[in-house]
Amino acid sequence: DTEVTQTPKHLVMGMTNKKSLKCEQHMGHRAMYWYKQKAKKPPELMFVYSYEKLSINESVPSRFSPECPNSSLLNLHLHALQPEDSALYLCASSQGMEEGTQYFGPGTRLTVL
Amino acid sequence: EDQVTQSPEALRLQEGESSSLNCSYTVSGLRGLFWYRQDPGKGPEFLFTLYSAGEEKEKERLKATLTKKESFLHITAPKPEDSATYLCAVRDSWGKLQFGAGTQVVVTP
Repeated sequence: DTEVTQTPKHLVMGMTNKKSLKCEQHMGHRAMYWYKQKAKKPPELMFVYSYEKLSINESVPSRFSPECPNSSLLNLHLHALQPEDSALYLCASSQGMEEGTQYFGPGTRLTVL
Repeated sequence: EDQVTQSPEALRLQEGESSSLNCSYTVSGLRGLFWYRQDPGKGPEFLFTLYSAGEEKEKERLKATLTKKESFLHITAPKPEDSATYLCAVRDSWGKLQFGAGTQVVVTP
């Protein structure tokens, strides 16, 4: 089973709201990722967690706050977002940062009003 | 600097008309080349991983090949359900995936 699940599927939020995106995998993978994808562009890496520790932050604004509560779960907390943050947010996981294939979840379509 | 270039940007095929997509890359020490298929509004779906020049992998109507500088994704006798954007990515020395811009494939009946 190579399934990564994400909730919610769709999210609409105002610029003053606080919301969270959730991601889960049960493949025993030790690396988990958040990507942002705009229309007709490839996924753009935001954060990488390796063994539940933040390994890479691609200079993402602080209004995005990642959290890895355990090896199977990854959250992305959102606060005071801008309309330009509207995008498809993808979670992925792999055996390790430098090994294995990254498997992606179905994504959360985020709209910021 | 690691770079991944995909061509063509878009490809329109008749059902049954075979073709190839190209992914050329420059990376210091290949740690894996990955092909994904992505439907609109959905997450990328894994297709193949290739690690060394000469390697080939096949799945239904798709076949991926790898040389020292590029990879090809061959689509044999495509069907309309093969319509999607095909993404190529290489893993860099940091373990991050560097994606190409993708090839949008449309197969018409």
